[in-house]
Parts: sequence; C-alpha cells; structure tokens
Amino acid sequence: DSGVTQTPKHLITATGQRVTLRCSPRSGDLSVYWYQQSLDQGLQFLIQYYNGEERAKGNILERFSAQQFPDLHSELNLSSLELGDSALYFCASSVRDRDDNEQFFGPGTRLTVL
Amino acid sequence: GEDVEQSLFLSVREGDSSVINCTYTDSSSTYLYWYKQEPGAGLQLLTYIFSNMDMKQDQRLTVLLNKKDKHLSLRIADTQTGDSAIYFCADNFNKFYFGSGTKLNVKP
Repeated sequence: DSGVTQTPKHLITATGQRVTLRCSPRSGDLSVYWYQQSLDQGLQFLIQYYNGEERAKGNILERFSAQQFPDLHSELNLSSLELGDSALYFCASSVRDRDDNEQFFGPGTRLTVL
Repeated sequence: GEDVEQSLFLSVREGDSSVINCTYTDSSSTYLYWYKQEPGAGLQLLTYIFSNMDMKQDQRLTVLLNKKDKHLSLRIADTQTGDSAIYFCADNFNKFYFGSGTKLNVKP
C-alpha cells in the first residue's frame, strides 16, 4: 500500500458525459501527479500540482482539467468524454516539487466510456 | 519532447537472468528510474540511478547506464515467477516521461 488513495476504483460512463476522479496523496506529500495509461498510448504524464499550484503540464487535453485543494487532495475532471478516453488514470504523490527520488502511485481509477 | 523506448515483451525461465533495455533521447535527466507494475496495481518504484553513475546494484537488481548511447538497462538475477510484471523505465527531465513498458513473463 503506497498510501495514495484514489476513488472511484472503476467508473463506467457514456460518451459526452463528465466525470471527476479523486486522489488523496500520502500524508505529508505536497506534489500530486496525474497519469493516463491506455493500451495504445502507454503511460502518459498529464499534469502536476505542488501545494495547490500547477507546476508542470504534459499531454493533457483541453477537455480535461485538474486542481489541488488546500487539504492537498486533487481532482481530475474529464468532460465531453470520448471512447478513446477509456483508460487507467493514476495519481502519484511526492514530498517535494518534482521530487527526484520517488513518486508513490495510487492503485488507479479505471474509466470505461461506452 | 523526450522519447523513452522499450521493447514490449521479454520471456525468461525461472532462475535465469532477465535484462530489460531502455533508450532515451534527452541527456539532461538527473535521475533515471525503473518502475514495476503488477497486474491490476499501480506503479512501484524499483530502483533509480543518478545520471553521473554507470552502475547501481540493489540485491537482485543491477542498473546499467550508458550516457553516451543514452541506454539504460535493468538486470534481474535469478528471476522468479513473482517478477512477472510490466517494467517501465522513466526519466524526469522537466516532467516524468515513461517508456511503453516491457512485459516480463517468467516461465516455471
């Protein structure tokens, strides 16, 4: 158990809908990272927050947005969902901003768009 | 942007050594990492190497880094069936870039 929690574990929804994925980092970790893992694209970095502020952006679509709240949990919002958005979404946390040693990964949320 | 590449599959017999290879394009990374993903689970950091090192050994794991060729490898000695998983290499030049993952299958 990494100490990072993600909810829900599974999510099934329809095209055009909007969903929110939630992540709680390890206690004491200030950075949260979001990743998308799909069969054809592999593991892709989406976005990073550090202590409430956006720090780095990866291949995140404009239909997706994220935020980190004062209690350091983070939410990833996915809107106007398409079939191709079906994937595993991982959250990871680290102590520092772009921690050079270790990110701790949550178990992931499996999103299925029908 | 950075490009990190790995072969997709590797199959070995239990007790043999496994070598998983990775190439990357950006030489500015400070650290390079190996992560393991077991079925249905998130990624777990196995080991990492600082970019000014050539080799790092950690029990059954040996990481080799060839900066000139931008080549990283992970050797698992005495591979066990419990080592069956997907292995990702990654670097963190500005952002984390992961390879596509190598699926290691260990046959009894």
